Amino acid sequence: DTGVSQNPRHKITKRGQNVTFRCDPISEHNRLYWYRQTLGQGPEFLTYFQNEAQLEKSRLLSDRFSAERPKGSFSTLEIQRTEQGDSAMYLCASSLLSGSTNEKLFFGSGTQLSVL
Amino acid sequence: AQTVTQSQPEMSVQEAETVTLSCTYDTSESDYYLFWYKQPPSRQMILVIRQEAYKQQNATENRFSVNFQKAAKSFSLKISDSQLGDAAMYFCAYRSTGTASKLTFGTGTRLQVTL
Repeated sequence: DTGVSQNPRHKITKRGQNVTFRCDPISEHNRLYWYRQTLGQGPEFLTYFQNEAQLEKSRLLSDRFSAERPKGSFSTLEIQRTEQGDSAMYLCASSLLSGSTNEKLFFGSGTQLSVL
Repeated sequence: AQTVTQSQPEMSVQEAETVTLSCTYDTSESDYYLFWYKQPPSRQMILVIRQEAYKQQNATENRFSVNFQKAAKSFSLKISDSQLGDAAMYFCAYRSTGTASKLTFGTGTRLQVTL
């Protein structure tokens, strides 16, 4: 168990460029979440997957954002035409939902995005 | 919509002493979960403690305990015998039951631990 892995750790991009982040959850975890954390704030929920199905998206997730989890394992979060307001830390978390409601999230160390 | 408020941006405690971090929340739901997460400089959110709203007994995890006051919608975290490794941002979070872990977080409290 190597924990939740996120890459890259830091990303600096120019406004208007596209960026993609990757999250590798803990092996066999069937749920995967994306959160966004801006400076001085707590994380905010963006979207989540159960296996490969994206089950919910927050209103925060504009149409410039797209997330995938093609084989129910790793996930990618893409932001098209980045804006300065997209600058934040993007956190990924995974969990193993096994029938009980005692779901425990395991977070990665995030990808810090800076849009210049 | 639920809201979570942490009114203490920063707190300081001496090593081996006890500190209490405050959290209040607003909800119209009767059953839910509350959490405290720790975020050290490594940025990884780590679950400290969890409380189910239907349980009257306050949760405890070693040196960490909560004071859950459902009527007052208050959920404070007490850290006993503080250690240097406890220094971090602490976030209070809320989650509705019957849904995925769509957590609503507060703005956090930065805890400093001094010698």
